[in-house]
Amino acid sequence: DTEVTQTPKHLVMGMTNKKSLKCEQHMGHRAMYWYKQKAKKPPELMFVYSYEKLSINESVPSRFSPECPNSSLLNLHLHALQPEDSALYLCASSQGTDVSGANVLTFGAGSRLTVL
Amino acid sequence: SQKIEQNSEALNIQEGKTATLTCNYTNYSPAYLQWYRQDPGRGPVFLLLIRENEKEKRKERLKVTFDTTLKQSLFHITASQPADSATYLCALFIYNQGGKLIFGQGTELSVKP
Repeated sequence: DTEVTQTPKHLVMGMTNKKSLKCEQHMGHRAMYWYKQKAKKPPELMFVYSYEKLSINESVPSRFSPECPNSSLLNLHLHALQPEDSALYLCASSQGTDVSGANVLTFGAGSRLTVL
Repeated sequence: SQKIEQNSEALNIQEGKTATLTCNYTNYSPAYLQWYRQDPGRGPVFLLLIRENEKEKRKERLKVTFDTTLKQSLFHITASQPADSATYLCALFIYNQGGKLIFGQGTELSVKP
C-alpha cells in the first residue's frame, strides 16, 4: 500500500460545528503532516507528528486540534471555525524527519472544507 | 527565515518544446531539494529529489539541476505534452527544532497542443 487516504473528501460545516478530518497510511511511515492550501497558493504547513509525538505546530489557532492515535492514523479536529478557514486540507506522511534521511512526502488527495 | 522563490507564476509553452522552471532559495543550505507536481484539487505528487553533491538528475523526460553556489535549481521537461500541464512546486526539507517540508509558491505550466 503506497497511499495516504483522507476522509471525508468534502466537508461543509457551520461555525459552531465540531467535525474531524481523518488520515490513514500503511506504509510504515513514522512522520505525518497536516497542510492547509488555499486556491492558487502552495501548501502551508500546520502540524508535524514524528513517532506519534507533535514535533511542529506552526502557530496554528487552537480551533484546529491535531491528534495522532497511532503511527498509521492522524486526525484534525475542527471547532468554531471561521469562513476564512475554508480550504483544501492535505495530509502527508514520510519515513521520518531526521536530517540523515531523504524525506520524501506522500500526500493524500485532500479534504475540501467549506465553513459557512 | 528560509525563503523559496519560483520565478514564474505561470508558464505557457507549445507542445514538443522544453519547459524550464526556476527555483531560488535564501537563508538556507539544504542537503537536497525536491520537486512535486500538483493537479487541481489533488495533493502534490513527488517527482524528483536532487542532493547537494549532485549537479544533475534525470527521470524519463524530466531533468533537474542544482547549483548550491547560486542557490538555484532548474527543472526541465523535454518534449512537453498537454498532459504535463499542472502546477510544479519546488520544496526544501528544513531541519530546525524538528523537520518540515516547505514549498515555493509554484509555477503553473500550460502546454498547448
